[in-house]
Amino acid sequence: KNQVEQSPQSLIILEGKNCTLQCNYTVSPFSNLRWYKQDTGRGPVSLTIMTFSENTKSNGRYTATLDADTKQSSLHITASQLSDSASYICVVRLSGNTPLVFGKGTRLSVIA
Amino acid sequence: DTAVSQTPKYLVTQMGNDKSIKCEQNLGHDTMYWYKQDSKKFLKIMFSYNNKELIINETVPNRFSPKSPDKAHLNLHINSLELGDSAVYFCASSRGRGYEQYFGPGTRLTVT
Repeated sequence: KNQVEQSPQSLIILEGKNCTLQCNYTVSPFSNLRWYKQDTGRGPVSLTIMTFSENTKSNGRYTATLDADTKQSSLHITASQLSDSASYICVVRLSGNTPLVFGKGTRLSVIA
Repeated sequence: DTAVSQTPKYLVTQMGNDKSIKCEQNLGHDTMYWYKQDSKKFLKIMFSYNNKELIINETVPNRFSPKSPDKAHLNLHINSLELGDSAVYFCASSRGRGYEQYFGPGTRLTVT
């Protein structure tokens, strides 16, 4: 069964600290992996998209990594800000005409 | 503003009623989607249309009927609403299948 598992389920960190969110998937055949940020009361917004051949991709203070061999991805947030408080959702796309497979997200709270 | 827009933002209605949610995108995208996000924040694909043609229809009750009058619009009509239909419904669009998806702000549906 195609699944995307994220950990931790929720995380609280102090402003200015770094954190890393994890995503493990059993999706096959793999096409690409995406990280989305969803603020409360809003729709998800894409942060990064990585294909099989990409190991890392950055978007400002967000850096995503991908290990296609172990089927693991991580999202590292550097020097967190209060506005980083949101849910971060890992999404994997299979090859072919199939829907995206969503993780349940990690709820991040950044506190002052 | 170029975006994916949905109306209404909030919808409160009684069981048994019929309601519609509208979605419009002015990004020039060919593919549009409807997602349901339940109370556990898990996003699930419901439908996907490509050039007004239905390409994905997950196991959704036939009380839900999407309608795409043109490429820029994908409306969702729900008949005989049930308590379990309460959720946030997101519309999204993408340039084509497999491309990055842009989400609307969501419609919070509450069935009483």
